[in-house]
Amino acid sequence: AQSVTQLGSHVSVSEGALVLLRCNYSSSVPPYLFWYVQYPNQGLQLLLKYTTGATLVKGINGFEAEFKKSETSFHLTKPSAHMSDAAEYFCACNSGGGADGLTFGKGTHLIIQP
Amino acid sequence: DAGITQSPRYKITETGRQVTLMCHQTWSHSYMFWYRQDLGHGLRLIYYSAAADITDKGEVPDGYVVSRSKTENFPLTLESATRSQTSVYFCASSAQRGNQETQYFGPGTRLLVL
Repeated sequence: AQSVTQLGSHVSVSEGALVLLRCNYSSSVPPYLFWYVQYPNQGLQLLLKYTTGATLVKGINGFEAEFKKSETSFHLTKPSAHMSDAAEYFCACNSGGGADGLTFGKGTHLIIQP
Repeated sequence: DAGITQSPRYKITETGRQVTLMCHQTWSHSYMFWYRQDLGHGLRLIYYSAAADITDKGEVPDGYVVSRSKTENFPLTLESATRSQTSVYFCASSAQRGNQETQYFGPGTRLLVL
C-alpha cells in the first residue's frame, strides 16, 4: 500500500521569500510522484511530476521538486513567493499497477503575506 | 478546447434522493476517475474506468454507482444520498495506462446533502 504525508496543513511565507512544502511518501515499489495546485473553486492543475531519470524536476510557475529516495521525500520549492502562489497544494503518488488512481496527501494551504 | 467538464457545478439535495453527477471529456482519454475531496482527507478515489464498459472500485466506493457506455462520459450516481456524501467531487482523465500518466481534472461539483 502507498501513502503520502504532507507536513503542515498551512504554510505562511512572505512575498519574495522561499517556499518549501514538504511531502513524504511510503511505497513498497518505486513511485511516480506528482504535485498539483488548486486555486479557489477550481480543479487541480499539475505543477510537476517525477517519473524516472533526473531527480530534480522543474515545473510551471517557477516551482521545482527533488526526489530523494533515501529520505522518501519529494519536497516542493520556489525561490521567491508571489501573491499569486496562494493556493492549496497536493502531493500525490502512484505506484500501483495499472489505472489505480492517485493517492493524495491531505494538502497544504499556502498563504502569502505581503 | 473544452477539456473535461462537470455538471452541475453546485447541487443541493436531500437525504435519500438519487443524484447523478456528470463528467464529460473531449480528449478521447481512455481512463477516467472520480474522486471526492473532504477537509482533512485530501482527495480519495471513488471509482475509475479503463475504457467503455470497464469500471472498478477505488478506496471509497460504498454508496456510489458508475457507468461508462461511451468513452467521453463517466457519470457518478449516488443511489440514496446521505449527509456523509456532502463533498466536492472531481472527475479526472488520463490518456494512457501507466502510473506516470498525468491525470487532468475537471472543475468539480460541490454537493450538499441536507
